[in-house]
Amino acid sequence: TQLLEQSPQFLSIQEGENLTVYCNSSSVFSSLQWYRQEPGEGPVLLVTVVTGGEVKKLKRLTFQFGDARKDSSLHITAAQPGDTGLYLCAGAPAAGNKLTFGGGTRVLVKP
Amino acid sequence: NAGVTQTPKFQVLKTGQSMTLQCAQDMNHEYMSWYRQDPGMGLRLIHYSVGAGITDQGEVPNGYNVSRSTTEDFPLRLLSAAPSQTSVYFCASRGQGPSWLPYNEQFFGPGTRLTVL
Repeated sequence: TQLLEQSPQFLSIQEGENLTVYCNSSSVFSSLQWYRQEPGEGPVLLVTVVTGGEVKKLKRLTFQFGDARKDSSLHITAAQPGDTGLYLCAGAPAAGNKLTFGGGTRVLVKP
Repeated sequence: NAGVTQTPKFQVLKTGQSMTLQCAQDMNHEYMSWYRQDPGMGLRLIHYSVGAGITDQGEVPNGYNVSRSTTEDFPLRLLSAAPSQTSVYFCASRGQGPSWLPYNEQFFGPGTRLTVL
């Protein structure tokens, strides 16, 4: 069974500060996805990283896939209250269709 | 285009009761799945289907049944509800092929919050 550990579990920061969320595993994934989930809604895909060492930017969000494809990070620059939510990482195995989700990081950005 | 729809949004059951959680998608997606979400545990896969007539077990299938008679619908059945099944249930769908392909983005429904007393 492939496991994904996210850290921290909860993060509370002031508007304008930076934050980083980590997603780690001892297993290799063919790709890794990051989702954001708001209360009462389903997760929404933010990005998919596929290549080891890949860096993708989505406005103030920067996603990185580790060289060995076992870990990933999400960095938010100058966080805003609209960034508040539950961030989930999910890894796809080399073969098969099943995604493995991390436990999630709850981010609260206070104005 | 409604995307992925789930009904009901909330449900309270007594131990031993049965019910069906409905899921439908209008994107002609082949791949559909059911997840449960519990605090601190992310999303865990219950059952999934790669097309009409084909289903398979996920990580936590016990106590749940599924069927896929059409491309659009993928209901989840609880035959005899237990308090351990109290959770938020999400249905998701995507196109066939590797999940990392851009056109294979997975879409989630809004969820069903189930409480078993």
